[in-house]
Amino acid sequence: AQSVTQLDSQVPVFEEAPVELRCNYSSSVSVYLFWYVQYPNQGLQLLLKYLSGSTLVKGINGFEAEFNKSQTSFHLRKPSVHISDTAEYFCAVSDRGDYKLSFGAGTTVTVRA
Amino acid sequence: EPEVTQTPSHQVTQMGQEVILRCVPISNHLYFYWYRQILGQKVEFLVSFYNNEISEKSEIFDDQFSVERPDGSNFTLKIRSTKLEDSAMYFCASSTGDTQYFGPGTRLTVL
Repeated sequence: AQSVTQLDSQVPVFEEAPVELRCNYSSSVSVYLFWYVQYPNQGLQLLLKYLSGSTLVKGINGFEAEFNKSQTSFHLRKPSVHISDTAEYFCAVSDRGDYKLSFGAGTTVTVRA
Repeated sequence: EPEVTQTPSHQVTQMGQEVILRCVPISNHLYFYWYRQILGQKVEFLVSFYNNEISEKSEIFDDQFSVERPDGSNFTLKIRSTKLEDSAMYFCASSTGDTQYFGPGTRLTVL
């Protein structure tokens, strides 16, 4: 199974500033990569995914992520955050053909005015 | 937009009691999953289910746990004799293959 590392447990950021959340995974075999967001008292919502093709993927709410196979990374970015982006963000990975997900520990993003 | 639903949202039980957590997956999905998240820890895979049988399970998913799709729409997780350490948020997910969609979770508290 994959091991997923989210390097930052907490990221405070001011409104309209950019944010980057880092994610690295353990194995360079073919993978599917996901970012999920969990708003307070809610479930996990799919933000974006990489299955194949272009290494830059765009998701909902202005987020994007870039798959870097050589660095086994899938970092999430947003150029300008809003207060409503305050949430916990989870990176998740599955090996192709094995759909179970391995999750990172999560990064809590707190956006301040 | 179709979504995965879970009931109850919060379940409190006494140690040793049986609990059943219920999920209604998205209707055309064929793969079903349970994950759990103990407070302050990672979301962990428990079990996957396809074609009316378990396709994969983790070390956590011991004989205390079972899953069932009793009526073609519901997908349940049963814990036979709950322990304090079973207290967690339990998430159901479903997919047609590569992308899983999660329910809102059931918070299980074992006293």
